[in-house]
Amino acid sequence: GQNIDQPTEMTATEGAIVQINCTYQTSGFNGLFWYQQHAGEAPTFLSYNVLDGLEEKGRFSSFLSRSKGYSYLLLKELQMKDSASYLCAVMDSNYQLIWGAGTKLIIKP
Amino acid sequence: GAVVSQHPSRVICKSGTSVKIECRSLDFQATTMFWYRQFPKQSLMLMATSNEGSKATYEQGVEKDKFLINHASLTLSTLTVTSAHPEDSSFYICSARSGGSQETQYFGPGTRLLVL
Repeated sequence: GQNIDQPTEMTATEGAIVQINCTYQTSGFNGLFWYQQHAGEAPTFLSYNVLDGLEEKGRFSSFLSRSKGYSYLLLKELQMKDSASYLCAVMDSNYQLIWGAGTKLIIKP
Repeated sequence: GAVVSQHPSRVICKSGTSVKIECRSLDFQATTMFWYRQFPKQSLMLMATSNEGSKATYEQGVEKDKFLINHASLTLSTLTVTSAHPEDSSFYICSARSGGSQETQYFGPGTRLLVL
């Protein structure tokens, strides 16, 4: 079956760096997305990876290894506003989005 | 975890026709359902929010007469794209939430619409 795994919850300190991992097993691959979702709000798009490597966008970076079925989202210089859920989603060969359950990130002062 | 399904997963239609997309919460009652649209490599864009038994609330710029939303039961919401045009071709995703705003949204797999 198709599966996306990411940790349920992580805690980090303001100003620090945190890495949220995502592993996937899907029928085909047409890209991996990371979304940020604050409680009670719609998810917002963070990144899209379809080729191996690191994509950097400001304080956020996303890495993909297709051979390992693995991605991570790296958040630097953490701010309190980064407290949110981070969703990993993979688009399979049928262009269907397979969603992870999300990682709730708690930032402590 | 909670499961949300969508049907159809992909649809191709002629310009001017109407297309209905179903979103179902399979193992929980969804008091609120959301409809999103996503263009390639872009963010999810919220189109509307619907509460069971109430009229949907549409986001700015979304034509309510073109995108008809019905949320008649706690497990089913439908989005009808009326008189579809090629610019409506997109990836439509629904999500469902069982309780208040602090509850997790569970997303469906999406429906890919291609209007010729």
